[in-house]
Amino acid sequence: AQSVAQPEDQVNVAEGNPLTVKCTYSVSGNPYLFWYVQYPNRGLQFLLKYITGDNLVKGSYGFEAEFNKSQTSFHLKKPSALVSDSALYFCAVRDNNQGGKLIFGQGTELSVKP
Amino acid sequence: GAVVSQHPSWVICKSGTSVKIECRSLDFQATTMFWYRQFPKQSLMLMATSNEGSKATYEQGVEKDKFLINHASLTLSTLTVTSAHPEDSSFYICSAHPPGQGWEKLFFGSGTQLSVL
Repeated sequence: AQSVAQPEDQVNVAEGNPLTVKCTYSVSGNPYLFWYVQYPNRGLQFLLKYITGDNLVKGSYGFEAEFNKSQTSFHLKKPSALVSDSALYFCAVRDNNQGGKLIFGQGTELSVKP
Repeated sequence: GAVVSQHPSWVICKSGTSVKIECRSLDFQATTMFWYRQFPKQSLMLMATSNEGSKATYEQGVEKDKFLINHASLTLSTLTVTSAHPEDSSFYICSAHPPGQGWEKLFFGSGTQLSVL
């Protein structure tokens, strides 16, 4: 079955430090991977995606994610965290067996302290 | 960018009553909209796909008669939770993508927190 896992419910980072939000996936065929961010009282916003090509994908707000096929991971990263990055982050994978629907991880709450 | 509006943002109702949640695409026409349910600390679970002018497609395990979906126009889909019970309390989110763009560019509503007393 297609699935995606975010092993950390919460990640705490000091402002200015690098941040990583972890995601691992299980999918048959080529993975289509996504990251979304949800700010309080807002809808989910698309950050970035990996379809094919370079393993390092750059997205919105300075975020990037690294696709690692051998480790089946797609961790979200940012070199220098901002307090305004505090939000809920969702990793998602396209379900290639179910018409391409998205399967979401459970979310990771990122808290960036000044 | 494209915007999806969801209303209400929160609702409290008594057990046994019905609640309607609206999802509107504000600057594009959406032939398809999606309804999700999210429990605290858990994933967004796709409940159903709303199709304009035809019946919704429900995911396995989702009660069609419990969660009525109507997609009467290209910019509006509604989810009605009928005879709500406390176990229906959850966060409901809708999404849609502009024509010609697939799952890569879903736009989400801000969600509706339903609390059934």
